[in-house]
Amino acid sequence: DIQMTQSPSSLSASVGDRVTITCRASQYIGNDLGWFQQKPGRAPKRLINEVSSLESGVAFRFSGSGSGTEFTLTVTSLQPEDFATYYCLQYFTYPWTFGQGTKVEVK
Amino acid sequence: QVQLVDSGGDLVKSGGSLRLSCTVSGIDINDYFLAWVRQPPGKGLEWITSISAGGSSIHAIDSVEGRFLVSRNTAENSFSLQMNTLRVDDTAVYYCAASKGTAYNFWGQGTLVTVSS
Repeated sequence: DIQMTQSPSSLSASVGDRVTITCRASQYIGNDLGWFQQKPGRAPKRLINEVSSLESGVAFRFSGSGSGTEFTLTVTSLQPEDFATYYCLQYFTYPWTFGQGTKVEVK
Repeated sequence: QVQLVDSGGDLVKSGGSLRLSCTVSGIDINDYFLAWVRQPPGKGLEWITSISAGGSSIHAIDSVEGRFLVSRNTAENSFSLQMNTLRVDDTAVYYCAASKGTAYNFWGQGTLVTVSS
């Protein structure tokens, strides 16, 4: 199985900060990577598909990059509604696997 | 508007069975890969099983293989997860999800399955 290692597991940030989350795959996954945001008690919401394709309606401050085995999610100017947990997902091969999550908390 | 509504979660004893359902509206499930993803209390997301758009291919993680089975009902535009021989570590919120083969863009609201010893 492909292991997805996310870092950091948590971070503290302030409104306006630039935040970067990394996801590393244990083997090549091409561009088959998505990013999700999840708030407490809610279903995950897809932010980005295929590494860098922003979901319709998602703020432009979110962006994704990377290829192969290393990927990043960047939030250029953190807003109050962005405090949440973020997950990556590889869909290159079964079983599809999520990263363990990154909780973005208020500093 | 696309909507997935999952249901069927309950409190069940270890070794018991449960069937979860996901009713889909706004899309034709024949065109979508359908999946179940779970989240144990306070933990991360875990993809557990999916069925392909045509229904010909099913995949699952090892820990549920032979115990859980995903199926589709195209007439009702819904899909289900039959869970047998449930274990305490199957306790989680279960989400149904759909996509066209990429990261899931449509999700149910989640249904809680609690397995007691």
